[in-house]
Amino acid sequence: EIVLTQSPGTLSLSPGERATLSCRASQNVSSSYLAWYQQKPGQAPRLLIYGASNRATGIPDRFSGSGSGTDFTLSISRLEPEDFAVYYCQQYGSSLTWTFGQGTKVEIK
Amino acid sequence: QVQLQESGPGLVKPSETLSLTCTVSGGSISSYYWSWIRQSPGKGLEWIGYIYYSGNTKYNPSLKSRVTISVDTSKNQFSLKLSSVTAADTAVYYCARENRFFVAFDIWGQGTLVTVSS
Repeated sequence: EIVLTQSPGTLSLSPGERATLSCRASQNVSSSYLAWYQQKPGQAPRLLIYGASNRATGIPDRFSGSGSGTDFTLSISRLEPEDFAVYYCQQYGSSLTWTFGQGTKVEIK
Repeated sequence: QVQLQESGPGLVKPSETLSLTCTVSGGSISSYYWSWIRQSPGKGLEWIGYIYYSGNTKYNPSLKSRVTISVDTSKNQFSLKLSSVTAADTAVYYCARENRFFVAFDIWGQGTLVTVSS
């Protein structure tokens, strides 16, 4: 089973700053099968990025995804107040099962 | 637009079976995969399993012995049963639609908290 490790656990930044979140896989992951989600307190996760770099419908262009193989990155170019949340990466593996990273919390500094 | 709504008991006794239903509205359950995902308090997300509208299933190996997911296309619903629950199964349970074009979960229910306690 592929394990996804996200870092850092918590990112403390100010509005307007750039956020860079990492997701590292224990084995190669197809870029087509890597997604990112945003979750705010009391809400369900929301799909942000699929296929490692494709923004989902309605997602602002300040969100971008990149990476391949075992290293993937979610970037938020300029943090807006509504972007402070927890972010999860997720992959769909060859065993036809889904796994999530443990999450990165982006908090206001 | 398609919406998902979880329903079921919010309290289950240890050793009993947790049962939840997800109702799909605004669209058909056909031609999609549907998953259950849970989140223990203050923790991350754990995929439980999925079902295709035809009835094919796949479960998380760590839960496979206790999980059954079924579908009722006539009611546009799919369901989760988790047997022999313990306090470790206390979580918010989400149902979600898998979009195999995106290879991601594009629609989620609001989630329902299930507490395992006597």
